[in-house]
Amino acid sequence: DAKTTQPNSMESNEEEPVHLPCNHSTISGTDYIHWYRQLPSQGPEYVIHGLTSNVNNRMASLAIAEDRKSSTLILHRATLRDAAVYYCILRSGGATNKLIFGTGTLLAVQP
Amino acid sequence: GAVVSQHPSRVICKSGTSVKIECRSLDFQATTMFWYRQFPKKSLMLMATSNEGSKATYEQGVEKDKFLINHASLTLSTLTVTSAHPEDSSFYICSARLGQGYGYTFGSGTRLTVV
Repeated sequence: DAKTTQPNSMESNEEEPVHLPCNHSTISGTDYIHWYRQLPSQGPEYVIHGLTSNVNNRMASLAIAEDRKSSTLILHRATLRDAAVYYCILRSGGATNKLIFGTGTLLAVQP
Repeated sequence: GAVVSQHPSRVICKSGTSVKIECRSLDFQATTMFWYRQFPKKSLMLMATSNEGSKATYEQGVEKDKFLINHASLTLSTLTVTSAHPEDSSFYICSARLGQGYGYTFGSGTRLTVV
């Protein structure tokens, strides 16, 4: 499985946008980019995923570089409830459909 | 949206006993479910892929005789930790996907403590 690299931690202020980066230089053409977040003592929560084009949903936006070697998860207006560990994961579009988690980014949101 | 229910949320058991954890897809059918474990302040580690009507596929290093997985129906997978020991104490999480084009939905997790 292709690997991703994320900063260990980031800080943000409440009501400001947050850009969470992810590098995946060995991504293959069929790999989907998935983002999940996990609050303490809870299971992960799906945030967004995409293949080549930028994606938007009610939770966040996903900006994918043209060469697909990096992506950015954008939280448009951080709230205290967005404090979590954010995982960027590549999922093969082939027969193997399992998700392999990396270490993620711990996002702290200051009031 | 797709909901995955996991039960129990917490369990304490004595060393040497077995514990069963259930994972149900509430509003969709899941031919495949995934089981993870997570130690404190660590990331999730995939243990096995549960396949409805056939044997589970275990990740390297995971003992299949210790972590028994049964996926007898399209909405239920169970993980049984057999002869549990304190080192098996962990947070166990299951996951499933509604279908192609969807993200993965996770259960709320089971905190297992073996004393």
